[in-house]
Amino acid sequence: GAVVSQHPSRVICKSGTSVKIECRSLDFQATTMFWYRQFPKQSLMLMATSNEGSKATYEQGVEKDKFLINHASLTLSTLTVTSAHPEDSSFYICSARDPGFLNEKLFFGSGTQLSVL
Amino acid sequence: GENVEQHPSTLSVQEGDSAVIKCTYSDSASNYFPWYKQELGKRPQLIIDIRSNVGEKKDQRIAVTLNKTAKHFSLHITETQPEDSAVYFCAASRAAGNKLTFGGGTRVLVKP
Repeated sequence: GAVVSQHPSRVICKSGTSVKIECRSLDFQATTMFWYRQFPKQSLMLMATSNEGSKATYEQGVEKDKFLINHASLTLSTLTVTSAHPEDSSFYICSARDPGFLNEKLFFGSGTQLSVL
Repeated sequence: GENVEQHPSTLSVQEGDSAVIKCTYSDSASNYFPWYKQELGKRPQLIIDIRSNVGEKKDQRIAVTLNKTAKHFSLHITETQPEDSAVYFCAASRAAGNKLTFGGGTRVLVKP
């Protein structure tokens, strides 16, 4: 099946710093990617929809200035957590839509565990 | 927006028994309902999905039923095995490939 690579898999940072997470579709071009956040023992919550070449669409309650999304190419979307704080510590995971399956298949990245000290 | 409720939050079954997880959704425009299995710290894995034009779908020991009128769908796992132990999530979207709204998850423990 299609592969979506996400890096880093784990990051520890100090409060106030920014962290960039990359989501790459390795064998298909993804015009649309989704970013989710998952707190421990909780569900996946959609943060935003990332569209190649245009601005991301953020879900209600998600601060677009804090969670910067860039989808500058058909194989790469990035999520930057700016001025991270301990409450941003979470599992962040992307998913990409593969147009080769009539735009019906979503493939998840392996996730990034962010810990903010 | 869509809201998906999932029950139970935890489920403990004896190996060989069946497990049933139920979900309800609120958006009548939702037409695609996947189920994911997630192990700790890993990505969700799609195990089965169903579309609104189908009432039931089966894949070996896993089956899903959908009642579109009542806006609920269920996952059935028969002959459970210890490797079935994981967290299971239901989800809903307006179409396959669209953004997903997930249920709260069910932690399944299969006891040998």
